[in-house]
Amino acid sequence: GNSVTQMEGPVTLSEEAFLTINCTYTATGYPSLFWYVQYPGEGLQLLLKATKADDKGSNKGFEATYRKETTSFHLEKGSVQVSDSAVYFCALTPPGRRALTFGSGTRLQVQP
Amino acid sequence: DVKVTQSSRYLVKRTGEKVFLECVQDMDHENMFWYRQDPGLGLRLIYFSYDVKMKEKGDIPEGYSVSREKKERFSLILESASTNQTSMYLCASRQKSLGVETQYFGPGTRLLVL
Repeated sequence: GNSVTQMEGPVTLSEEAFLTINCTYTATGYPSLFWYVQYPGEGLQLLLKATKADDKGSNKGFEATYRKETTSFHLEKGSVQVSDSAVYFCALTPPGRRALTFGSGTRLQVQP
Repeated sequence: DVKVTQSSRYLVKRTGEKVFLECVQDMDHENMFWYRQDPGLGLRLIYFSYDVKMKEKGDIPEGYSVSREKKERFSLILESASTNQTSMYLCASRQKSLGVETQYFGPGTRLLVL
């Protein structure tokens, strides 16, 4: 079946620190990969996506590269801000499916 | 601007009650989804609808049903609420396609079943 594994949180960082949130997946075929973010009290928003191997998704200083050989899609940001504090979800859609399969989410706390 | 709204942000219900959660989108999307979000489990798909009056079970449909009578509205129904259905419920929509169009999420309804 399809599944997504994320690192456990919470991740606590100081402002301007480097961020990595690990994500690995299991899927049939070549899935599309996503990172969604949920700010406190809000629904999920798409942060970035990649649709094929070696694609790099990027948005708001965040990046993730689709690595087929390691089945990974790790999220990175060079310098986090307090406003990046949120829960981050890695997700995939296998070919031919409409719904997303989500990881368990990783809470990020950025301290000033 | 894209908008998915859910009828309530917070609900408190008693065991055995029938509960209706409503979701409305204004983007003319064909596909709509209901997920539940639980700590440590992420989001899990309950049901989705690929068009009006069309529905398909997700990964955890037991204890739930859905209704899609109009394109913009997708309702989740708990026929007889139980305490293990206490959760955050999230609705989403996207355009009809098997491509990678973004899903747009509502703010969520936090349901407490006593």
